[in-house]
Amino acid sequence: DGGITQSPKYLFRKEGQNVTLSCEQNLNHDAMYWYRQDPGQGLRLIYYSQIVNDFQKGDIAEGYSVSREKKESFPLTVTSAQKNPTAFYLCASSPLDGRYEQYFGPGTRLTVT
Amino acid sequence: SQQGEEDPQALSIQEGENATMNCSYKTSINNLQWYRQNSGRGLVHLILIRSNEREKHSGRLRVTLDTSKKSSSLLITASRAADTASYFCATDHSGGSYIPTFGRGTSLIVHP
Repeated sequence: DGGITQSPKYLFRKEGQNVTLSCEQNLNHDAMYWYRQDPGQGLRLIYYSQIVNDFQKGDIAEGYSVSREKKESFPLTVTSAQKNPTAFYLCASSPLDGRYEQYFGPGTRLTVT
Repeated sequence: SQQGEEDPQALSIQEGENATMNCSYKTSINNLQWYRQNSGRGLVHLILIRSNEREKHSGRLRVTLDTSKKSSSLLITASRAADTASYFCATDHSGGSYIPTFGRGTSLIVHP
């Protein structure tokens, strides 16, 4: 059963703590992406990776970090430096880049208090 | 920065009616894609249209692209209550890294 998974679905953290969101895909896609979505807003790109061991900052990378040690996995760490971390986080993958459709995971809703 | 902007922001119609939403963008693109998002869920890809294409169909969906006006439209015919969702366009810039940029979306409500 091919697809892209994110865990957990809901995550609660105290302010000042780092938290890591998981994203795994078994579609054999080269590219993976992390987006942030705030209520009533579109998706804003945090980081993307087009190949293992390489990743690029998106529009709102400050306060976030990623790694791409395996083709299947692209975890996102929300650090304490992120000023407003409460949001809905979406991970996506595609065969190569924007010339192809993206496949999205179900999302992780992070609440920081 | 957001490249595509959808219009209207919200649309409310009765089941059986057609729904039309538009996407405008500022700079030349390679491709334009439409996605659907049910509340609290991930996005689902609907249609990809390339800059050298003018129209594409998929079931009850029809997408047009007018590169001279830098705009696209998504038409859903004979809408159903299950079509209730937010719809987003995503564009990638010509000469760029092919990374799609999403608009803020159109929220569609179809009343049964």
